[in-house]
Amino acid sequence: DAGITQSPRYKITETGRQVTLMCHQTWSHSYMFWYRQDLGHGLRLIYYSAAADITDKGEVPDGYVVSRSKTENFPLTLESATRSQTSVYFCASSKTRGGELRNIQYFGAGTRLSVL
Amino acid sequence: KQEVTQIPAALSVPEGENLVLNCSFTDSAIYNLQWFRQDPGKGLTSLLLIQSSQREQTSGRLNASLDKSSGRSTLYIAASQPGDSATYLCAVIGNAGKSTFGDGTTLTVKP
Repeated sequence: DAGITQSPRYKITETGRQVTLMCHQTWSHSYMFWYRQDLGHGLRLIYYSAAADITDKGEVPDGYVVSRSKTENFPLTLESATRSQTSVYFCASSKTRGGELRNIQYFGAGTRLSVL
Repeated sequence: KQEVTQIPAALSVPEGENLVLNCSFTDSAIYNLQWFRQDPGKGLTSLLLIQSSQREQTSGRLNASLDKSSGRSTLYIAASQPGDSATYLCAVIGNAGKSTFGDGTTLTVKP
């Protein structure tokens, strides 16, 4: 009954390093999302994926890379971390994108990333 | 570009009061609208989801309404309790499956 889990919960890294945030869901949901949450900007969509091997950009994709080789995993990589990427990152999943009740988004607990 | 606004940004009420949180959006072409609760340092918990064809949804003391044509949604909380203290976020889901969130309303319910 794990649901959706993110790892690590906390990460400190240095400018220029590559960092990968992990997201795993056990529901076989089709859609997965990555958001960042910052004071003054709220939650902003970085990338999302409709299914394995299908990804698309959200509002703020620059500096991030995603992949989805398996339905249950959706890792987010910061190729060369910058201070502006210090944020709380949330992963979410939903069963379908349609106008159906199953389209509820379920969120992970978040990863707090600090780039020094 | 979809924009979502939540008013007020913060609200403080005594326990037992009924209250309304507001959410407005600029593009009425949405699939659905979802209300979330976020406790400090935690993730988001879904409260209610309203499909674009619906007018309202209810869960316990919570009632959410949607007026798509005017770009508005309200979250009504009846008989508020200190445990309701949290930040409440609304999100609209567009045709491409993308979500746009408001900045939230931080609610404090005083005992």
